[in-house]
Amino acid sequence: NAGVTQTPKFQVLKTGQSMTLQCAQDMNHEYMSWYRQDPGMGLRLIHYSVGAGITDQGEVPNGYNVSRSTTEDFPLRLLSAAPSQTSVYFCASSYSSFYNEQFFGPGTRLTVL
Amino acid sequence: AQKVTQAQTEISVVEKEDVTLDCVYETRDTTYYLFWYKQPPSGELVFLIRRNSFDEQNEISGRYSWNFQKSTSSFNFTITASQVVDSAVYFCALGVTGNQFYFGTGTSLTVIP
Repeated sequence: NAGVTQTPKFQVLKTGQSMTLQCAQDMNHEYMSWYRQDPGMGLRLIHYSVGAGITDQGEVPNGYNVSRSTTEDFPLRLLSAAPSQTSVYFCASSYSSFYNEQFFGPGTRLTVL
Repeated sequence: AQKVTQAQTEISVVEKEDVTLDCVYETRDTTYYLFWYKQPPSGELVFLIRRNSFDEQNEISGRYSWNFQKSTSSFNFTITASQVVDSAVYFCALGVTGNQFYFGTGTSLTVIP
């Protein structure tokens, strides 16, 4: 099992550019989520999904879109990157929902100039 | 409002000392789950423990132990006889109905040889 994979590992964008962070899991988990980690802020939930076709907003959703067309994949889209979106992004998955431990991907370090 | 507070930003201990990491949470939910995760210098997030709101039993796993007290809304983590490999950032997290997770800002632990 590869677990949770994320691509790319590093990315530099210019303000206004768009991009998609990829996330995939091979554990047949229903719940998937995206977080951003900023110094002194811990991890903050951006969007989450409880199954294919179902997504919802977390604590800091503005500027990000998600979709969940398959159980395995949960891409995060930045529509028009801003310097405030410079962060480390983690994708996670868990068996079902808020009562299960999450398995995290290795993270994507994004810099927006 | 849901919130997790880890008041200790950084802690340094000498190897073999015991150390306790504090976690205080806020929620009005009666059903919730608490978690601890470890983030070593390599950056990945590793699940350590999960506890539900109905189970106040303390738990010991090797050198690790956890003390959950609903009366004080705390879920503290103690490492006994600390080792250099324990050096990491430790996050406490709260999972609530609605499938949202809230992380604390983390405690950076440095174990000095």
